[in-house]
Amino acid sequence: EAQVTQNPRYLITVTGKKLTVTCSQNMNHEYMSWYRQDPGLGLRQIYYSMNVEVTDKGDVPEGYKVSRKEKRNFPLILESPSPNQTSLYFCASRGHLGNGYTFGSGTRLTVV
Amino acid sequence: KNEVEQSPQNLTAQEGEFITINCSYSVGISALHWLQQHPGGGIVSLFMLSSGKKKHGRLIATINIQEKHSSLHITASHPRDSAVYICAVLPNTGNQFYFGTGTSLTVIP
Repeated sequence: EAQVTQNPRYLITVTGKKLTVTCSQNMNHEYMSWYRQDPGLGLRQIYYSMNVEVTDKGDVPEGYKVSRKEKRNFPLILESPSPNQTSLYFCASRGHLGNGYTFGSGTRLTVV
Repeated sequence: KNEVEQSPQNLTAQEGEFITINCSYSVGISALHWLQQHPGGGIVSLFMLSSGKKKHGRLIATINIQEKHSSLHITASHPRDSAVYICAVLPNTGNQFYFGTGTSLTVIP
């Protein structure tokens, strides 16, 4: 089944403790992206990647890192999480523009 | 600044009603994407379009490039259509989509 797999689904952590949210797709898509969703603000892009070893900042990159060492994986790293990074996170991928995005199931992160 | 505006923000309908959700944007675009977010949070792609009209089951999406406007229609609405519907646009000059804040639809039996 074609899908984007995101883990974990839920995570509660403490301020300053490094964490990684994993994202993997099995569709050989070139384009992958991370979004955060906050009430009233919609989906906002954190980082995106056009292909292996090619990444770029989205609208809200501060406090996040990404890497794209393999085509299928695009992990999101929070080196020192803070409470304002409490949010719902989505990974998404797409191939040809006409096919639209496939989204992961989301990660609800709480930083206390 | 959000370049994508959706209306209405919230919509309640009786089962069977015809529903229209609107999306307006301010920049030239190469594609527009309609998405559905279920109450559990998962997001699925409904349509990607750059001109004209697309239909899938009871859902119809239209776009008018000159007027910078798109509509999503649901015919014979059903309670299972209750969800948040999100519009996103890909500007001509960029690589990333910009998202509206969504329209929350509730269909009452």
